[in-house]
Amino acid sequence: GENVEQHPSTLSVQEGDSAVIKCTYSDSASNYFPWYKQELGKGPQLIIDIRSNVGEKKDQRIAVTLNKTAKHFSLHITETQPEDSAVYFCAATDSWGKLQFGAGTQVVVTP
Amino acid sequence: EAGVTQFPSHSVIEKGQTVTLRCDPISGHDNLYWYRRVMGKEIKFLLHFVKESKQDESGMPNNRFLAERTGGTYSTLKVQPAELEDSGVYFCASSQVSGATEAFFGQGTRLTVV
Repeated sequence: GENVEQHPSTLSVQEGDSAVIKCTYSDSASNYFPWYKQELGKGPQLIIDIRSNVGEKKDQRIAVTLNKTAKHFSLHITETQPEDSAVYFCAATDSWGKLQFGAGTQVVVTP
Repeated sequence: EAGVTQFPSHSVIEKGQTVTLRCDPISGHDNLYWYRRVMGKEIKFLLHFVKESKQDESGMPNNRFLAERTGGTYSTLKVQPAELEDSGVYFCASSQVSGATEAFFGQGTRLTVV
């Protein structure tokens, strides 16, 4: 089955700096890679996703890159703000939509 | 439009008791998933319904867990009898189609077994 590894487990950044979270996956059949943000007391919320036929996608301050050959994908947050503080999960999914999550990254943005 | 809703938001029960969690997916979403996050670890898949049928229940820990989705609308997840290791946050998610598409999550049910 699919195995997703995520690093780092915690990330502390100064407001305005960039944050990068990296994930690797094992199943070459995975074709959809969403990133979820979970704030305290809330469920995971999709912030950006990328499909296997795309190498990079950007949405305002958030970007995701995918390297299918190396089986890794990354989340980049630029100009971080305090409201970016949360737990971020990467995931990979098969054709049925069953999500395999990484262990999560606790991001803390300090003013 | 209402999102995915879960009830209750918190539940504290004693070991050996029974608990039933409920999930109401977004209206019209045929796909419903249950996940669990235990002790700050990764969110793990439990099972997947397509309408009222179980498409994949490979993540269900053992036979103390029973999920149903009668009529293909809301779903329940019953734990009977509950054990200490069942503590965690149970998430439900729904999507309109299977596969590479956004899954919408509920806020979760935090289950504590004491």
